[in-house]
Amino acid sequence: EDQVTQSPEALRLQEGESSSLNCSYTVSGLRGLFWYRQDPGKGPEFLFTLYSAGEEKEKERLKATLTKKESFLHITAPKPEDSATYLCAVRGSGGYNKLIFGAGTRLAVHP
Amino acid sequence: DAGVTQSPTHLIKTRGQQVTLRCSPKSGHDTVSWYQQALGQGPQFIFQYYEEEERQRGNFPDRFSGHQFPNYSSELNVNALLLGDSALYLCASSTGTGTNTGELFFGEGSRLTVL
Repeated sequence: EDQVTQSPEALRLQEGESSSLNCSYTVSGLRGLFWYRQDPGKGPEFLFTLYSAGEEKEKERLKATLTKKESFLHITAPKPEDSATYLCAVRGSGGYNKLIFGAGTRLAVHP
Repeated sequence: DAGVTQSPTHLIKTRGQQVTLRCSPKSGHDTVSWYQQALGQGPQFIFQYYEEEERQRGNFPDRFSGHQFPNYSSELNVNALLLGDSALYLCASSTGTGTNTGELFFGEGSRLTVL
């Protein structure tokens, strides 16, 4: 069964303190790994799509990487506005139209 | 340009009742997916509609049903509500290309509380 596990559940950082979020996955025939950001009371907002091991994507202070078993979301010199829940999702060959989400990592960045 | 709009934003029902949630996709989008997000969890796929037909369904009982209209808007219906149906219901829209890339545009959701 396709599955996504994210760690840590929650992370508290000081402004400027870089760190990484982990997403481990099990999927039959990966057809994409996705990162979304979700602010309280809002729907998720798309960040990145990664398709193959070794691929990297960057956006401002965020960089996503992918291996055959996991993905990392690196946050460099975070700011308080980066505080949010970061969701990882996968799509497998058995369910091309659905995304399977992890439970997310709640990130709090303090000034 | 209006994004994905959902209504109502909050509602309270009692066990056994029925509920209808509505979604208008982002302009230019023709595909609508529904997700259920319990507190502290990630969204779970309910089903997806394209060209007014259910294209794929997740592991949800038949109490959950949907519809897509010719203008691409969609409804989610839940019958015989259970306490466990309390959750944030998210609508996500995409184009055919967006569906392939996984780039979904989510609404802010409908918060359902079942008492």
